[in-house]
Amino acid sequence: QQQVKQSPQSLIVQKGGIPIINCAYENTAFDYFPWYQQFPGKGPALLIAIRPDVSEKKEGRFTISFNKSAKQFSLHIMDSQPGDSATYFCAASGTDSWGKLQFGAGTQVVVTP
Amino acid sequence: EAQVTQNPRYLITVTGKKLTVTCSQNMNHEYMSWYRQDPGLGLRQIYYSMNVEVTDKGDVPEGYKVSRKEKRNFPLILESPSPNQTSLYFCASSLQGADGYTFGSGTRLTVV
Repeated sequence: QQQVKQSPQSLIVQKGGIPIINCAYENTAFDYFPWYQQFPGKGPALLIAIRPDVSEKKEGRFTISFNKSAKQFSLHIMDSQPGDSATYFCAASGTDSWGKLQFGAGTQVVVTP
Repeated sequence: EAQVTQNPRYLITVTGKKLTVTCSQNMNHEYMSWYRQDPGLGLRQIYYSMNVEVTDKGDVPEGYKVSRKEKRNFPLILESPSPNQTSLYFCASSLQGADGYTFGSGTRLTVV
């Protein structure tokens, strides 16, 4: 049973659209929430991460929104480009199990030209 | 170049034949970890290591062994592989805990 639930499983948007991926967790000990991006044939790469002391973080066209009370966080890709087509994973870890990073099931995002 | 190197990239083996997948990092990272990736299940952690000779189980450790005798190396051992261990395996390392794991390119294992 996954401790981090991710949706949707897949997403198709047109260039310039804003794909949104949502994740939810139960473990209140989680205090680090990264997002990873994976291209076919490659390993996942860290994209952006947030801690619960802030509600939003932006890096370039990628934004994480965090709702601590609802135990949910989401990734928004602003002005999406075909090069953003990849699989995105949310993840979570906590200080109660340092080094243990738990992933969601992944979302395949396709951005059409 | 800072990287995590896994070998081999592809491996086909038969049930019960012991195998080792190697992992090495050149970033002097304390933490190393093994994951398996399966469709619809995302990445599931097999084992992780906080330092030399210190390892702990992840979410799916059954059927796997690891060792951390040197800081840079963290091999994954399948003593008696079974078909349900057919998967894509990733090794990862980080300087501090789960913050910013760097992943290798993966090893696709098929057990027949």
